Amino acid sequence: DGGITQSPKYLFRKEGQNVTLSCEQNLNHDAMYWYRQDPGQGLRLIYYSQIVNDFQKGDIAEGYSVSREKKESFPLTVTSAQKNPTAFYLCASKPGREIQPQHFGDGTRLSIL
Amino acid sequence: GQNIDQPTEMTATEGAIVQINCTYQTSGFNGLFWYQQHAGEAPTFLSYNVLDGLEEKGRFSSFLSRSKGYSYLLLKELQMKDSASYLCAVKNSNYQLIWGAGTKLIIKP
Repeated sequence: DGGITQSPKYLFRKEGQNVTLSCEQNLNHDAMYWYRQDPGQGLRLIYYSQIVNDFQKGDIAEGYSVSREKKESFPLTVTSAQKNPTAFYLCASKPGREIQPQHFGDGTRLSIL
Repeated sequence: GQNIDQPTEMTATEGAIVQINCTYQTSGFNGLFWYQQHAGEAPTFLSYNVLDGLEEKGRFSSFLSRSKGYSYLLLKELQMKDSASYLCAVKNSNYQLIWGAGTKLIIKP
């Protein structure tokens, strides 16, 4: 089945540690996105990529980094510079055409130890 | 600034009808999406409106008025499995998606 796979489902980070969240899709979608979801707030865009080897900062990119070396993969690293990383992280993808809806992975819940 | 407003929480009875409203103020408009999200799960796409009027999909319908910056999602014959959050998102003139905080819908027997 085609879809978006995020791993792990739950992740714990120690203070000062970098962690990487995985996002893989086999939908052959060009565009991929990372969002952060906090209680009582809308989804906030961290980074997005329209094509391999290219990505742009979203609204809250500080403290995060990404790479897009392959079409299928868009990993997100939460660095120690992100002071409030506890949140639910969602990865999404969509075909290149603008009117298409985004498809989401099941999310990774990150907590601080 | 750009913002999307939705009620935080709504309660309805199984078998009834509920309307979830969404008002938006964005820099331009290129379509409005509704998603359903069960707790701890991925949002799933429900509907897309770009022209004024009503789009119907089974028990779910979505309405758009661009002049009023307003949309609603109508859910009929409510079932317990419809208990979820419903997210409204607008694509602005830069094709950026602006998300509302979501409306948590509680269905009671």
